[in-house]
Amino acid sequence: GNSVTQMEGPVTLSEEAFLTINCTYTATGYPSLFWYVQYPGEGLQLLLKATKADDKGSNKGFEATYRKETTSFHLEKGSVQVSDSAVYFCALREISSGSARQLTFGSGTQLTVLP
Amino acid sequence: GAGVSQSPSNKVTEKGKDVELRCDPISGHTALYWYRQSLGQGLEFLIYFQGNSAPDKSGLPSDRFSAERTGGSVSTLTIQRTQQEDSAVYLCASSLPSGAINEQFFGPGTRLTVL
Repeated sequence: GNSVTQMEGPVTLSEEAFLTINCTYTATGYPSLFWYVQYPGEGLQLLLKATKADDKGSNKGFEATYRKETTSFHLEKGSVQVSDSAVYFCALREISSGSARQLTFGSGTQLTVLP
Repeated sequence: GAGVSQSPSNKVTEKGKDVELRCDPISGHTALYWYRQSLGQGLEFLIYFQGNSAPDKSGLPSDRFSAERTGGSVSTLTIQRTQQEDSAVYLCASSLPSGAINEQFFGPGTRLTVL
């Protein structure tokens, strides 16, 4: 079956620090990959996505590259802000079957950015 | 436009009681998903509806859980004889027909507490 493993949290950084949250996946087919973010008191929001190998998703200064050879989709940001404090979820979605195509999520990583 | 809405936002119930959770998807979205977010289990898929097709119930944890979707729009998730391990945030998401690149939009969730 499909699974997503992401870096355990919590992660605490100072403002303007570099962020990496590791994510690796296992899939039977050809998944699309996603990062979702959950800000305090809010619902899940799509942050970025990549649908095929070597694609780079980017949004709000965050980036992640779909690496098929290492089955990874690590999230990076060069300079974090206090407003980036949230829980980040890596997820995948199969595209190769007639199944529900539900998202399979990692366990989430809590990020706190200190001023 | 309006996003996915869920009600109630919070529900406290006693063990053994039945509960109903409601989801109003984005207008025109034919795909609807229920997920559960709980400590120790992360985000789990529960059930999927697509148009008038039979739902994919493969994620439901027990036969105490059921869901319906009336008229292809509003969905209700019912948990019978609630147990303490049912305590979680129940998330609903909707999307256009479930192609891989169609984003799932999440509601704010219903926090269920079983005493």
